[in-house]
Amino acid sequence: KQEVTQIPAALSVPEGENLVLNCSFTDSAIYNLQWFRQDPGKGLTSLLLIQSSQREQTSGRLNASLDKSSGRSTLYIAASQPGDSATYLCAVGSFNDMRFGAGTRLTVKP
Amino acid sequence: GAGVSQSPSNKVTEKGKDVELRCDPISGHTALYWYRQSLGQGLEFLIYFQGNSAPDKSGLPSDRFSAERTGGSVSTLTIQRTQQEDSAVYLCASSLAGTLSPQAKNIQYFGAGTRLSVL
Repeated sequence: KQEVTQIPAALSVPEGENLVLNCSFTDSAIYNLQWFRQDPGKGLTSLLLIQSSQREQTSGRLNASLDKSSGRSTLYIAASQPGDSATYLCAVGSFNDMRFGAGTRLTVKP
Repeated sequence: GAGVSQSPSNKVTEKGKDVELRCDPISGHTALYWYRQSLGQGLEFLIYFQGNSAPDKSGLPSDRFSAERTGGSVSTLTIQRTQQEDSAVYLCASSLAGTLSPQAKNIQYFGAGTRLSVL
């Protein structure tokens, strides 16, 4: 059974810092990996999707990497802003299943 | 509609009653997913529908849970004889295609969820 772990559970940084969120998974037989953002009281927003054949994806200030062999993914956020404050979830997709990590709660202080 | 719609947004019920949660996916999306998020826990995958294929029900936590998807569109998640541990936010998502499809087509779009409270 796939297990997904996210570290750290919470992170607080001053505005402008670059930061890295980590996601690890136990079964490397995956089809894709997604990073989501969850704001309080709102639904999830998909940020980046990496297929199993890819190494990384970029969108604006966000960059996600995938290393299947080691069971790891990172989400890099450049020049963080207070609006980036949210919970970030990593989700690992297999054939007919998707497993989520518990998330990292990010706070960016002005 | 423009996005995934879930109803009701909030549901309070008494232990032992049955509840139905509804999800309207984005028009044209063939894949539909149900998740549960309990307080302080991560998202838990429940069930996935892809087109007209039989869904994988292995994620459903007990036989009190069932889900249907009629006509490949609207889905209903039914919880029978609700228990207090069923209290959670139930999220629905849809994607243009399923998990085996090329990149952009399997990005999931989520509804705002249904907050279920079992007293």
